[in-house]
Amino acid sequence: DVKVTQSSRYLVKRTGEKVFLECVQDMDHENMFWYRQDPGLGLRLIYFSYDVKMKEKGDIPEGYSVSREKKERFSLILESASTNQTSMYLCASSWDRVNTEAFFGQGTRLTVV
Amino acid sequence: KQEVTQIPAALSVPEGENLVLNCSFTDSAIYNLQWFRQDPGKGLTSLLLIQSSQREQTSGRLNASLDKSSGRSTLYIAASQPGDSATYLCAVEANSGYALNFGKGTSLLVTP
Repeated sequence: DVKVTQSSRYLVKRTGEKVFLECVQDMDHENMFWYRQDPGLGLRLIYFSYDVKMKEKGDIPEGYSVSREKKERFSLILESASTNQTSMYLCASSWDRVNTEAFFGQGTRLTVV
Repeated sequence: KQEVTQIPAALSVPEGENLVLNCSFTDSAIYNLQWFRQDPGKGLTSLLLIQSSQREQTSGRLNASLDKSSGRSTLYIAASQPGDSATYLCAVEANSGYALNFGKGTSLLVTP
């Protein structure tokens, strides 16, 4: 089975801290994604990557950056955490672009105080 | 931009009923449509993937259909059980991009 693992289930960080969310997939998938999920707003795409060292902005990239140095690992970075970044963060991966199933991690609930 | 709508937003049914969840999307140029399940505070579990050339997919008590030309999909759950209680999300992968566009989900409660 495909496994997408996020490094933390719950995180509490202080305003202004630099925060790293890590995601690892074990199926040699080319595509990896970061979404955030908020009540009433649904899932929104922050960034995605279709290859090592490649990244593309999603719908809400402001305040975030990403890193993909190895194929299996995709990191989301909050450069200076703010309270409006309190959210559920979900990582996903898929094999390639066309007609392939997306698999999600268990989510990281981030609270910024 | 692709808009995905799910109706109803919430649904409560007694155990044993058959039910239908609806999903509509505005742009029919899609690669595929995927249905997910999400339990409270958890990640998404993939249920069914329908490619654009397909009309339906089945897995156990679940059946999903796709009418790409009208921009609609339905998820049919047969003989519902309390364990089916969760939020069900529909997502489409548009031809123009890599990522999925999600609806806001249908929250399902199956009562014993």
